[in-house]
Amino acid sequence: EAGVAQSPRYKIIEKRQSVAFWCNPISGHATLYWYQQILGQGPKLLIQFQNNGVVDDSQLPKDRFSAERLKGVDSTLKIQPAKLEDSAVYLCASSYTGRGGAFFGQGTRLTVV
Amino acid sequence: DQQVKQNSPSLSVQEGRISILNCDYTNSMFDYFLWYKKYPAEGPTFLISISSIKDKNEDGRFTVFLNKSAKHLSLHIVPSQPGDSAVYFCAASGSGQNFVFGPGTRLSVLP
Repeated sequence: EAGVAQSPRYKIIEKRQSVAFWCNPISGHATLYWYQQILGQGPKLLIQFQNNGVVDDSQLPKDRFSAERLKGVDSTLKIQPAKLEDSAVYLCASSYTGRGGAFFGQGTRLTVV
Repeated sequence: DQQVKQNSPSLSVQEGRISILNCDYTNSMFDYFLWYKKYPAEGPTFLISISSIKDKNEDGRFTVFLNKSAKHLSLHIVPSQPGDSAVYFCAASGSGQNFVFGPGTRLSVLP
């Protein structure tokens, strides 16, 4: 079974630039999550999709972050414009049901300089 | 306000001995708990879960204990192996809610 795929693995951008991350969940997983993990902290949920609908985006900074999951499969997370404090690892995860252990991708390490 | 706490940032244990990782939570509505393990440059991997209707769940060398009255859970690894060296995250959720993760504990198992 293929895991959750994310790209790119690493990204360095200047503040005020824009960046996009891509995620391909495990086939058949209806639930997809984007997490932000700042160094020394646990993952923090940004947004949860159920198929192509948003279930929870209460912690997504909507003035600069956006996410979509067209056709209920792949998803992209965008930051525009980036700030220094956005430096973090962005993790995508998917699960068959809303509860239980989700499967995580390797993450994208973003550095904003 | 940190709803899930892992007060030990790091823990070192000798190979073959028991590792005990602790997690405390403040939200009494949490009723489902997970432990994840994370190696460097990889995403977290699901390890074991426990529901609030149980006080213990075991899977091989890994056992999770839940003390609802104390809002405390712990992960026991027996016997510890060098390959268990990783960061361990505790996560908790209530019904209809998403998981809240703790900050993690870095476990080092010394040969």
